[in-house]
Amino acid sequence: GESVGLHLPTLSVQEGDNSIINCAYSNSASDYFIWYKQESGKGPQFIIDIRSNMDKRQGQRVTVLLNKTVKHLSLQIAATQPGDSAVYFCAEKGGRGSTLGRLYFGRGTQLTVWP
Amino acid sequence: KAGVTQTPRYLIKTRGQQVTLSCSPISGHRSVSWYQQTPGQGLQFLFEYFSETQRNKGNFPGRFSGRQFSNSRSEMNVSTLELGDSALYLCASSPTADSNYGYTFGSGTRLTVV
Repeated sequence: GESVGLHLPTLSVQEGDNSIINCAYSNSASDYFIWYKQESGKGPQFIIDIRSNMDKRQGQRVTVLLNKTVKHLSLQIAATQPGDSAVYFCAEKGGRGSTLGRLYFGRGTQLTVWP
Repeated sequence: KAGVTQTPRYLIKTRGQQVTLSCSPISGHRSVSWYQQTPGQGLQFLFEYFSETQRNKGNFPGRFSGRQFSNSRSEMNVSTLELGDSALYLCASSPTADSNYGYTFGSGTRLTVV
């Protein structure tokens, strides 16, 4: 994506450990962020989202943290399982005037979970 | 509730041909956007439609076009195919054009140009 990037292209964790995937964005006016999981041969699957008026949001085994001061987004996966192995993308939306409805994607992080 | 349906799942075309891909959004969703995914460029925005109108267009040549029908179903067309058009084409639907909700993707159409 043009303004959304990921700090690490790959992440390997042991089953049962917690995983943290990071994402940086550059547009301070972005107002909505989404994390997607993509498995091989499939489309991106929605995991969790967060609006800019929030700092943290929790789902089932996942937590998204938003730090607007440093324009940083992270996805935390608790008790990582082999089924969590996939590419994870962050996406941002909003604050770009005429580009309403358009998502800007990071390049993705490949998460590998080993037993 | 049925998800986003993209057809066909796989396509093989020859250079110079044209192709039409189809996307049926989630029932009740009126916004459809298209993305191209390649290993080198990642996910790139093609265009977005809402109420049969193109609202946004990404940085792709005019060979890439699309439309949306009154039932919100959308098609995209690529004419004069080039080898570099080989990619996974993804469609996403959302309730409205500027919704801060959802954006559900289909499984994509894998296009191979030979």
